[in-house]
Amino acid sequence: AQSVTQLDSHVSVSEGTPVLLRCNYSSSYSPSLFWYVQHPNKGLQLLLKYTSAATLVKGINGFEAEFKKSETSFHLTKPSAHMSDAAEYFCVVSLLTGGGNKLTFGTGTQLKVEL
Amino acid sequence: DAGVTQSPTHLIKTRGQHVTLRCSPISGHKSVSWYQQVLGQGPQFIFQYYEKEERGRGNFPDRFSARQFPNYSSELNVNALLLGDSALYLCASSLALSGGGASHEQYFGPGTRLTVT
Repeated sequence: AQSVTQLDSHVSVSEGTPVLLRCNYSSSYSPSLFWYVQHPNKGLQLLLKYTSAATLVKGINGFEAEFKKSETSFHLTKPSAHMSDAAEYFCVVSLLTGGGNKLTFGTGTQLKVEL
Repeated sequence: DAGVTQSPTHLIKTRGQHVTLRCSPISGHKSVSWYQQVLGQGPQFIFQYYEKEERGRGNFPDRFSARQFPNYSSELNVNALLLGDSALYLCASSLALSGGGASHEQYFGPGTRLTVT
């Protein structure tokens, strides 16, 4: 079975400092991995995706993630946090099975950005 | 282009009632998926449809059903509502189910907030 574990339920950073949101995955196959962001009362927005091409993936709004097979990790980073980054972030693994494409979400990390 | 749209945005129902939620995918997208997000948790997969056929079902009771129409829009139906069905119901669409590039990326709508009292 495929799954993702988000290691921190809450992360708090100061504006202008780096962001690190941690995610480990479990997969029997070469996984497709995603990070989504959810702002309050908004839908989910795709930040970036990994689909077995380059291991360092760049996304929107300055976010990037590195796929590390040896560590089964897909951590999300950003060099400098902005107040607008405050939101819930979900690490997601995609399972292609039975003709379908099912997304399995982690439990989420709430990012707080302080002045 | 318009994104994924869902209706209604909010809904309040009583236990035992039935509810129908609607979703219109991005133009050109042929796959629609439904997810349930309970407060404080990540979304859970309910159903996926592609070309009007069910292609996946999550671990939800038979009270939950869905269908996809010829124009690729979709409905999620929930019968005999329970308090535990209170959640944000998200619809996502994608061009296809697999393939290279962005063909299988899922784009989410804003959701329908269902409250069961």
